[in-house]
Amino acid sequence: DAMVIQNPRYQVTQFGKPVTLSCSQTLNHNVMYWYQQKSSQAPKLLFHYYDKDFNNEADTPDNFQSRRPNTSFCFLDIRSPGLGDAAMYLCATSRDQLGGYEQYFGPGTRLTVT
Amino acid sequence: TQLLEQSPQFLSIQEGENLTVYCNSSSVFSSLQWYRQEPGEGPVLLVTVVTGGEVKKLKRLTFQFGDARKDSSLHITAAQPGDTGLYLCAGPADTGRRALTFGSGTRLQVQP
Repeated sequence: DAMVIQNPRYQVTQFGKPVTLSCSQTLNHNVMYWYQQKSSQAPKLLFHYYDKDFNNEADTPDNFQSRRPNTSFCFLDIRSPGLGDAAMYLCATSRDQLGGYEQYFGPGTRLTVT
Repeated sequence: TQLLEQSPQFLSIQEGENLTVYCNSSSVFSSLQWYRQEPGEGPVLLVTVVTGGEVKKLKRLTFQFGDARKDSSLHITAAQPGDTGLYLCAGPADTGRRALTFGSGTRLQVQP
């Protein structure tokens, strides 16, 4: 089945220690997104890639970076995690289509910062 | 900036009851989507409504898009514990970005 896969599902890191979360997709969608979600709130968009074109949200901290080496993979790098970065991180994909952008989410990575 | 407001924020009901969740905006949306997110998982797309006044049914779930395309509702008939989760409405952002504006979410708990 075509899907969005995130690894790992659970990640524990230390305060200030860089961490990388990964996402892969078999849907061949050209748009990939990274969201941060805290305790039952709506997902908050961090950035997205349209093909290789990176689009950062204005309020995304510089501490968060992303890489998309090819269509299938996308990575979220947190350079110096703080306690406030503990959250669920969701990857999503979408086809480029007028008006819609229906999104297909992965299962998420729960990040704990100690 | 387009905003989507959902109500209620939290709903706890008994199995077999009916419920309605609302998603409202002062802005017109070209379409609205509904997602359900179970605890510890990512959101799953349930439906997209596109035409003003459109009604779509998914088993016991009925989705309606307002005539003016500013609001939508989700009605669940005879709720079951498996319906428990966070329900999110979302619509394309108005800035030409390939992004969605999400509502604040409705957390539904169905007690057996």
